[in-house]
This record gives sequence, structure tokens and C-alpha cells, in this order.
Amino acid sequence: KNEVEQSPQNLTAQEGEFITINCSYSVGISALHWLQQHPGGGIVSLFMLSSGKKKHGRLIATINIQEKHSSLHITASHPRDSAVYICAVSWFDEKLTFGTGTRLTIIP
Amino acid sequence: KAGVTQTPRYLIKTRGQQVTLSCSPISGHRSVSWYQQTPGQGLQFLFEYFSETQRNKGNFPGRFSGRQFSNSRSEMNVSTLELGDSALYLCASTSSGASQETQYFGPGTRLLVL
Repeated sequence: KNEVEQSPQNLTAQEGEFITINCSYSVGISALHWLQQHPGGGIVSLFMLSSGKKKHGRLIATINIQEKHSSLHITASHPRDSAVYICAVSWFDEKLTFGTGTRLTIIP
Repeated sequence: KAGVTQTPRYLIKTRGQQVTLSCSPISGHRSVSWYQQTPGQGLQFLFEYFSETQRNKGNFPGRFSGRQFSNSRSEMNVSTLELGDSALYLCASTSSGASQETQYFGPGTRLLVL
């Protein structure tokens, strides 16, 4: 069965800390997406990865295809980063399968 | 460029009724996917439409259906509503629906079934 696992489920940190959220999947994928969901429900796509590393501002996403693992890092975290971060993968049938999400809370 | 829009944003229905939700993709996008999000099951894929054809379908009962119009706008319909259908329904659009494309999500329709 194709599965996606995220850790941790919940993460609370002080402002300024370096944050890491992990995502593992069971079989080879065509792409992995990192999504951000704020309390209102809207989802924003942060990154789409099929290999290597991508950076956007304070956010960095990496993927290790051999180990079937991806990480999302946030440097110099800020309270506005508080949200649910969701990993989603697409296998070769192209539909997205989602992880359960990581609820991040950054305390000022 | 306008983002993905969904209507209505909130909806309250009773068991046994049916509901139709609408999604307008970003201009030029031809693929629309629908997702259901519940506290218990998280986000799950419902179906994807491309050029008016259903191209992919998730594991949902036949009560869940959809369609896409020639202008790429999409609707999903849920018939004979059950309490468990209460959820946030999200749609997302991409240019071609390829797995390596960024998905642009709408704000969602929050459905409550009483």
C-alpha cells in the first residue's frame, strides 16, 4: 500500500528556532509536494520536488529519493509560520496522497 | 491573474439532501482536482477532471460525482448526504494535471450535514 508518514504531528517552538518537519513514503514517487494550511483552511503550495533541494526565503525543502524521505526546514522561525504543514506525494497514477500534517506553533 | 475560486464558502444541509459545489480554476488551467478534508481522515483525493473528462478517481462511493465544463469550471455533487460527509471540500487547478506541476488550491467549501 502506498503510504505517506509525517513527523512530528505537533511541534511547538520559540521564535527564531530552526524547524524541521519530516516526511517518508513507501515506494518510489514522481513528485513530492509541501503544502501550508492556515487556520482558515486555505492551502498554499510551498514546494514541489522530484529531486534535490529547493529554497524560498526562510524555507528549504530537501528530498532523498534513495531513502524515500523529505524534510521541510524553516530558518529563523516566526509566529506567522504557525500553520499546518502537509506533505503530499504523487505516484505514477498522478493523484495526490497526503500525510496527516504537522501542526506548527511558534511562540513569540 | 485571479486565483481559484469556490462557491459557496459555507453550506449547511440535512441528511438525505444533495449538494452541488462549484470550482473555477485559474484562467488557462485545464485540470481541476477535488479533495475532501476531515479531522479523522485528513485530506483525501476525490477525483480529477481534465478537458471535461474524469481522468482519475479516489476511493469514494458513487454518491460523489463531478463534472467539468468547456470553460474548465468544475462542479462536484454529493447525493443522499450523510453526517460523515461534513468536511472541507477543496479544489485545486493546474495547467495540465501532471504530477510535477504546482497545484493551486481554492479557499474551500465548508459543508456541515445535520
